[in-house]
Amino acid sequence: GEDVEQSLFLSVREGDSSVINCTYTDSSSTYLYWYKQEPGAGLQLLTYIFSNMDMKQDQRLTVLLNKKDKHLSLRIADTQTGDSAIYFCADFTGGGNKLTFGTGTQLKVEL
Amino acid sequence: DAMVIQNPRYQVTQFGKPVTLSCSQTLNHNVMYWYQQKSSQAPKLLFHYYDKDFNNEADTPDNFQSRRPNTSFCFLDIRSPGLGDAAMYLCATSREGDSYEQYFGPGTRLTVT
Repeated sequence: GEDVEQSLFLSVREGDSSVINCTYTDSSSTYLYWYKQEPGAGLQLLTYIFSNMDMKQDQRLTVLLNKKDKHLSLRIADTQTGDSAIYFCADFTGGGNKLTFGTGTQLKVEL
Repeated sequence: DAMVIQNPRYQVTQFGKPVTLSCSQTLNHNVMYWYQQKSSQAPKLLFHYYDKDFNNEADTPDNFQSRRPNTSFCFLDIRSPGLGDAAMYLCATSREGDSYEQYFGPGTRLTVT
């Protein structure tokens, strides 16, 4: 079945850029998403990208998609302490209205 | 305004005592999902409703049931909770034909004593 992998932890200093990476295995992925989860809360949709796009920018967030390598990344510019959370990537392949979630990356922002 | 609402936010139940978690949405989305999330793990899909059609995941225990009486509401019933069912339960919705993104509620934290 589909596999979506992420590194477990990332630590950055406040004001630096953060880059969270994700790899997936299903070449038929049509949409890819980034979600943010703060402690004790649900998942908040941050942004998504359609598979025919290479890049999408939304304020401080930049999503890059490399379909050939099946690699997705989320760049957060000027990272703030409020960005500390777990970030999940997810993909949709069109089958069964379901998303496949990655393992999640815990982002820690230090002063 | 909250779009996906879950009640209660925290639920304590006794081992073996049935419990029901509820979810409602104001988005008029036709698909509703229930996920189980344990600490430091990704959400695990239990089942989803596509309109009125119920779709169970193959590895969802029989102990978990769901009801969707109308478009806005969906319930998760745990018939005989075990200690291993303690988790965060997340409800989500999506609309077919958009970009299929799912919108999540705040979750219900279930404790089993």
